Amino acid sequence: QQQVKQSPQSLIVQKGGISIINCAYENTAFDYFPWYQQFPGKGPALLIAIRPDVSEKKEGRFTISFNKSAKQFSLHIMDSQPGDSATYFCAASITPGNQFYFGTGTSLTVIP
Amino acid sequence: DAGITQSPRHKVTETGTPVTLRCHQTENHRYMYWYRQDPGHGLRLIHYSYGVKDTDKGEVSDGYSVSRSKTEDFLLTLESATSSQTSVYFCAISGGGGLSNQPQHFGDGTRLSIL
Repeated sequence: QQQVKQSPQSLIVQKGGISIINCAYENTAFDYFPWYQQFPGKGPALLIAIRPDVSEKKEGRFTISFNKSAKQFSLHIMDSQPGDSATYFCAASITPGNQFYFGTGTSLTVIP
Repeated sequence: DAGITQSPRHKVTETGTPVTLRCHQTENHRYMYWYRQDPGHGLRLIHYSYGVKDTDKGEVSDGYSVSRSKTEDFLLTLESATSSQTSVYFCAISGGGGLSNQPQHFGDGTRLSIL
């Protein structure tokens, strides 16, 4: 059973456009929601993370929107660039224990 | 980048042979994890460790064992490899736990093919 459901599976965006990736969860005990970026041949790298006490977090062109009542969170990439082309994973974890549950990933392609 | 080294980076072996993958960290982090990554499944936790000699199972632990005799090393063993264990294996580390979770940092993976 997938604890975190991620969509879409793949996404194609024009350069300069907005990329949006969505995740949903059921377990209300989750209290940490990171997003990871992965390039081919490399491990996932932490991009941005949020805790449920805030509804939005922004770092540069990357923003997480968090809707606690709907149990959903999303990643927005503003002004998408070809260098953003990668696979993105959302995740959720519970304190204590630090076990992460990952979504199935979104392959993003930004075309020039 | 977090100091995580996985070895080997690539391995091809035959069904029924034992295989050991190594993860070495230089960050002195308490938590270490082994994941496998497969298309359509994302990252799935195999085993994790919360200290020397302290390990626990993840969601896909069948057919795998782990050992952690030193803080810096976490070994993943496939006792008798099967073709279904062909995958990319990632090690991750974290200083987390306690009052709030901390991010996990990943190595660059081991691509394992079992013929």
